Amino acid sequence: DIQMTQSPSTLSASVGDRVTITCRASQNINSWLAWYQQKPGKAPKVLIYKASSLETGVPSRFSGSGSETEFTLTISSLQPDDFATYYCQQYNSLYTFGQGTKLEI
Amino acid sequence: QVQLVESGGGVVQPGRSLRLSCAASGFIFSSYGMHWVRQAPGKGLEWLAAISSDGSDQHYADSVKGRFSIYRDNSRNTLYLHMFILRPEDTAVYYCARGSSGGSGLRAYIDSWGQGTLVTVSS
Repeated sequence: DIQMTQSPSTLSASVGDRVTITCRASQNINSWLAWYQQKPGKAPKVLIYKASSLETGVPSRFSGSGSETEFTLTISSLQPDDFATYYCQQYNSLYTFGQGTKLEI
Repeated sequence: QVQLVESGGGVVQPGRSLRLSCAASGFIFSSYGMHWVRQAPGKGLEWLAAISSDGSDQHYADSVKGRFSIYRDNSRNTLYLHMFILRPEDTAVYYCARGSSGGSGLRAYIDSWGQGTLVTVSS
């Protein structure tokens, strides 16, 4: 099974900051990686797919990069609406989510 | 727009079974692979199962293989998850979700989610 490890688990930041979340896969997943945002009590929402492709309707301040085993999600300038929990997910071999990164003020 | 509405959740005793349903609308249901994902209270997301667009292929997480069964009725635009021998650790919000493409149900990210249905396993 492929394990996904996110870091950090919690990230404190301010509006306007540039933040980066890292996701590491236990084996090569090529670029089969997605990033999701989840707010309390709500379903997740996809932000990025295929490691770096922006889902339609997602603001351009979100970007993804990486391949094989190391990936990053970057938010270029944090907005108040961005404080949420973020998950990576590999879909190279079945599916595995990372444990999540809580982005807090 | 894509709409996925789960139902069937509730309180169930350990060892019992439960079937969840997901009514889909706003897209051609038979053209997409579908998934079930759960989230225990205060915990992260756990992928459970996927099914191909025509229902012929199913895939499961090791944690539920042999206990959970995913299937679909394309004539009713409905996805199901039948859960057997439920345990307290199965307590979670269960989400129905759409894969980004059809075919085998694999190599497709999840592009739409339902609002979830809560299952509580307790005596």
